[in-house]
Amino acid sequence: GAVVSQHPSRVICKSGTSVKIECRSLDFQATTMFWYRQFPKQSLMLMATSNEGSKATYEQGVEKDKFLINHASLTLSTLTVTSAHPEDSSFYICSARDSDLTGMGQPQHFGDGTRLSIL
Amino acid sequence: GQSLEQPSEVTAVEGAIVQINCTYQTSGFYGLSWYQQHDGGAPTFLSYNGLDGLEETGRFSSFLSRSDSYGYLLLQELQMKDSASYFCAPYNFNKFYFGSGTKLNVKP
Repeated sequence: GAVVSQHPSRVICKSGTSVKIECRSLDFQATTMFWYRQFPKQSLMLMATSNEGSKATYEQGVEKDKFLINHASLTLSTLTVTSAHPEDSSFYICSARDSDLTGMGQPQHFGDGTRLSIL
Repeated sequence: GQSLEQPSEVTAVEGAIVQINCTYQTSGFYGLSWYQQHDGGAPTFLSYNGLDGLEETGRFSSFLSRSDSYGYLLLQELQMKDSASYFCAPYNFNKFYFGSGTKLNVKP
């Protein structure tokens, strides 16, 4: 089955630090990946759509200068939380869809998520 | 804009059948997906309805009515491991948006 690897699984760092999270599709190519944020006991909120070889598309209210997304290859997207503050502490999850599969309903495959804690 | 409604919590006993409803209002709608998420874990894909009607996958079935902007997830022969949060996620404009989720508690 399709596997998405997300790394690191957990980060604890000081306020003001920048943190990079990687999302890799291991056995398929993904021209599009998605980044979500989830606060405790809440739903997944789509932050941005990462497009290989072009700029990411951010959802309304998400600061593009704060959450830098790079999708440099068909299997890797990165999210960098710049100058992180305690309010950025959350569970960040990436997902990817197989580019070779057609049809609107092809499922997203999720990484295991990154739990970010800013002290 | 868009809106999604799901019950916040449902409780059922092992072996029972439970239905989780989802109503949505969104533009550019193509279909409806369902995901399961255990506490502390990432979501896993359960089903997708691109057309009206029922889709069956083992113990889980999902239904969609486009005219009613409504869908449901049906879980049969409930097991303790089915205790999790379940999210409906409309697919529109090449993205999935997640509802608030339904926490399912399965009791012995």
